[in-house]
Amino acid sequence: DVKVTQSSRYLVKRTGEKVFLECVQDMDHENMFWYRQDPGLGLRLIYFSYDVKMKEKGDIPEGYSVSREKKERFSLILESASTNQTSMYLCASSSSWGQGRDTQYFGPGTRLTVL
Amino acid sequence: EDQVTQSPEALRLQEGESSSLNCSYTVSGLRGLFWYRQDPGKGPEFLFTLYSAGEEKEKERLKATLTKKESFLHITAPKPEDSATYLCAVQAGSSNTGKLIFGQGTTLQVKP
Repeated sequence: DVKVTQSSRYLVKRTGEKVFLECVQDMDHENMFWYRQDPGLGLRLIYFSYDVKMKEKGDIPEGYSVSREKKERFSLILESASTNQTSMYLCASSSSWGQGRDTQYFGPGTRLTVL
Repeated sequence: EDQVTQSPEALRLQEGESSSLNCSYTVSGLRGLFWYRQDPGKGPEFLFTLYSAGEEKEKERLKATLTKKESFLHITAPKPEDSATYLCAVQAGSSNTGKLIFGQGTTLQVKP
């Protein structure tokens, strides 16, 4: 079974703090993704990575950065948290090869509240 | 522009009342179509992948079908535990990085 884990289920931070969200997958997947999900707006892609040290901007990258130093780990960084970054953050991973390619498997999510 | 539209936004069924959820898409060449189930406060759970028109997949009370323009998720004799939001996503043929385009989802409520 594919397993994607996220470092926290719930997180409360103050405006201006630097926030790190960690994601780890155990299936040797090449691709990893960070989304945020808000009511009425659906899933929106923040950043993704298709290889170690490689990253590409998604649809809403402003205010975020990412890091992928190892294949299994993908970190999302909020450089200076703001209240409009309060959201559910979801990490996903997928393989580029074989049967079941491109199927994204999601983690449990991190509910971030910025006060 | 690649786009995915799901309908209806919300659906209420009585237990045992079969129905279908729709996912319409416009993409520049379909590489794959994906269905997920999401319970409140949790991450989406993978259900099915469909790759070509005419393909069908089944799992318990759920059956997914695919045409060149849309996909249906048929729910036969639903139970209250089938209540969830169902998400559809597509991957365009031009994408080689696994990027998906998601619909807004259909929230299903099944009453006993």
